[in-house]
Amino acid sequence: KAGVTQTPRYLIKTRGQQVTLSCSPISGHRSVSWYQQTPGQGLQFLFEYFSETQRNKGNFPGRFSGRQFSNSRSEMNVSTLELGDSALYLCASSLGGDPYEQYFGPGTRLTVT
Amino acid sequence: AQSVTQLGSHVSVSEGALVLLRCNYSSSVPPYLFWYVQYPNQGLQLLLKYTSAATLVKGINGFEAEFKKSETSFHLTKPSAHMSDAAEYFCAVRINTGTASKLTFGTGTRLQVTL
Repeated sequence: KAGVTQTPRYLIKTRGQQVTLSCSPISGHRSVSWYQQTPGQGLQFLFEYFSETQRNKGNFPGRFSGRQFSNSRSEMNVSTLELGDSALYLCASSLGGDPYEQYFGPGTRLTVT
Repeated sequence: AQSVTQLGSHVSVSEGALVLLRCNYSSSVPPYLFWYVQYPNQGLQLLLKYTSAATLVKGINGFEAEFKKSETSFHLTKPSAHMSDAAEYFCAVRINTGTASKLTFGTGTRLQVTL
């Protein structure tokens, strides 16, 4: 099976712009989660989608949003970018049930200037 | 609340030496615990998982971890370190938030392997 794919791998944006990141999960996986990884804060949970519905959300401002399509592919959007949004954004997919084993993509490195 | 704590942000071992990376958990219910590895500029790769079946869990690349309820620990070990083991390692616990779940990660331990 193909693994989790994320596009683009690298992105440079300017403050105030918006960005959309894409994630394609492993075939058959219905759950997609997004994480932000920074040197200072580590790995932080953004949100999870399951069958096109957001069923879990972390403590991030409303500028961070996401969606999931019927084929389980997911996108996350960040509006009005800030310098602090520079991070590695990781997507993970799982079947959705216990034990909640997640498989991660390579990430999208976002740099905000 | 469920959480994990990784002791030691950096660990250095010689090639061939024992690798021991420490993780302690806090949970009021039987936890599901995971170890992930992250190589530079890559995502996280699942090394092994504990799901209450067996307390000694074997994973990929020769790693294993033992669940010790009395010590609330889930330390990761490997008998003999290889240069290729140099990476960052994350311990994680599954948190059940009612109708959903998420993983909460520790702060990570960077493993350095020297000749």
